[in-house]
Amino acid sequence: AQKITQTQPGMFVQEKEAVTLDCTYDTSDQSYGLFWYKQPSSGEMIFLIYQGSYDEQNATEGRYSLNFQKARKSANLVISASQLGDSAMYFCAMREFHSGGYQKVTFGTGTKLQVIP
Amino acid sequence: DAGVTQSPTHLIKTRGQQVTLRCSPKSGHDTVSWYQQALGQGPQFIFQYYEEEERQRGNFPDRFSGHQFPNYSSELNVNALLLGDSALYLCASSPPHRETQYFGPGTRLLVL
Repeated sequence: AQKITQTQPGMFVQEKEAVTLDCTYDTSDQSYGLFWYKQPSSGEMIFLIYQGSYDEQNATEGRYSLNFQKARKSANLVISASQLGDSAMYFCAMREFHSGGYQKVTFGTGTKLQVIP
Repeated sequence: DAGVTQSPTHLIKTRGQQVTLRCSPKSGHDTVSWYQQALGQGPQFIFQYYEEEERQRGNFPDRFSGHQFPNYSSELNVNALLLGDSALYLCASSPPHRETQYFGPGTRLLVL
């Protein structure tokens, strides 16, 4: 089974509108972390936002917020007031702890967001 | 404060050759992870280095090996290159006891 599922291969959004990118995850761990990264065409992965499994409040970073629904195992990214520079691939990722303190990060297949002027 | 740096930026090799990719983590970061990202895919975890030891490994063959130096920089070595090894190789570093990984710009490897 996929550990991270992003069901939207591509999305369009009008400039200045909000958009939600979906992410569901699968883990039996109690302690885990969820990330969103942005990857422009240049290739660099840019960290956007992080949510820990024990965090009760949804994470927010500027125009980015993470809608964390633990019981449904979803961690959707909400981008408010979209800008042309938001056009990129967006990846959801999950960090799981293993014995010995090892961390493994698993990425989804990504969603390509295009912002329309 | 310099971010994660990787070298070279681009590389072309032929099948059967060997390649070494390099990564310097952000200042203060002690953990380095390597990922392979094929075209149109998400990054796949190769391995992670901490205190100069490999402490976690993904589903990659032994042709993929690495090293971490006392200054926390790291190398990824790939032997007996295959066409399927063509990808963007990303290095990520993280600070002590923190969750977030910061990525470098990657090395684009093309195997002909």
